[in-house]
Amino acid sequence: GENVEQHPSTLSVQEGDSAVIKCTYSDSASNYFPWYKQELGKRPQLIIDIRSNVGEKKDQRIAVTLNKTAKHFSLHITETQPEDSAVYFCAASSETSYDKVIFGPGTSLSVIP
Amino acid sequence: NAGVTQTPKFRILKIGQSMTLQCTQDMNHNYMYWYRQDPGMGLKLIYYSVGAGITDKGEVPNGYNVSRSTTEDFPLRLELAAPSQTSVYFCASRNQGTGLSEQFFGPGTRLTVL
Repeated sequence: GENVEQHPSTLSVQEGDSAVIKCTYSDSASNYFPWYKQELGKRPQLIIDIRSNVGEKKDQRIAVTLNKTAKHFSLHITETQPEDSAVYFCAASSETSYDKVIFGPGTSLSVIP
Repeated sequence: NAGVTQTPKFRILKIGQSMTLQCTQDMNHNYMYWYRQDPGMGLKLIYYSVGAGITDKGEVPNGYNVSRSTTEDFPLRLELAAPSQTSVYFCASRNQGTGLSEQFFGPGTRLTVL
């Protein structure tokens, strides 16, 4: 089955700097890659997603890139703000696996004012 | 639209007890999922369902059972609770009818087994 790895597990950046989180997946059939943000004590919420027919997607300060050949995808946050502090999860999903959504272990991002 | 709701919010069980975690969604989503999240860890898929009457195992199904008799409800049953099942449980739903799409999560149930 699908296995998703995520690095780093913790990340501290100064406010205004960029943050990059990287994920790899094992199932070449995976074709949907969402990113979720989870604040302390809250439920995960989608911040951006990308499909396998797209190499890059951007939404304001957040961007995601996908390299299907290497089976990895990355989240980029620019101009970080204290409210970006949270745990970020990547995930992978495949229609051929009945849409099981498998999550990475998460990255705890701290933005230092 | 309430989205995905879960009950109870918190529960303490004794070892060997059983309970059912309730999950309901009012978005007419066909896909539903149960995850557990251990402290400081990621989300592990327990069971999922692609429609009423159809369920399948995820990554960590042992010790759990599910049923899906309606589109709206997807209860998770714990039999013979063990301390290893102490976790936060999230239910999620997704509308596959529009293609690959986001999951909407419920607020979670925090379960402690003592």
